Amino acid sequence: NAGVMQNPRHLVRRRGQEARLRCSPMKGHSHVYWYRQLPEEGLKFMVYLQKENIIDESGMPKERFSAEFPKEGPSILRIQQVVRGDSAAYFCASSPRSSLNTEAFFGQGTRLTVV
Amino acid sequence: RKEVEQDPGPFNVPEGATVAFNCTYSNSASQSFFWYRQDCRKEPKLLMSVYSSGNEDGRFTAQLNRASQYISLLIRDSKLSDSATYLCVVSDHPMDSSYKLIFGSGTRLLVRP
Repeated sequence: NAGVMQNPRHLVRRRGQEARLRCSPMKGHSHVYWYRQLPEEGLKFMVYLQKENIIDESGMPKERFSAEFPKEGPSILRIQQVVRGDSAAYFCASSPRSSLNTEAFFGQGTRLTVV
Repeated sequence: RKEVEQDPGPFNVPEGATVAFNCTYSNSASQSFFWYRQDCRKEPKLLMSVYSSGNEDGRFTAQLNRASQYISLLIRDSKLSDSATYLCVVSDHPMDSSYKLIFGSGTRLLVRP
């Protein structure tokens, strides 16, 4: 059972370009979470998705950022018109259900560098 | 005030030492508590959940004090492989412990030979 798979592992974009980060949850997991980790900081929640639904996007910046989790295929975090401040590690996590005994498993992350 | 606060360290200890990390959280209604471990440039991995009764897993002991909103992690007989950043993590959701995790900035541990 493969873990949470994220790609690419490293992504370099010039200012103004678009960045697309992909996340395939663990098999059997229907809940996906995206987190951002800035250098020397803790992870910050961005968005929580289930298949075809955004459940909570309270951590997403209001502009340029969007996320989806289609019926088929991976979850996508999309950043339009990237700026230097978007440089960070973006982690995806998945879990199988909502309960008080559920562990979220993290992918290895995508390190975005904006030049 | 940060939602989850930790001493950033680094804690530099010799092999075999006992080391303790502390963490405070701001929301008295928080429901679930965890310690994660994060190696340099890697993803966080769950080390252990933390319960009010305290819990132990081998050399690791975690304690929760709800009245003081304080969480601790004790590592006995430190190994070189314990060198990592330890993240204190809290969830406020009453029904889902994996939802909207709130991470501290981490405490860095260096275990030297």
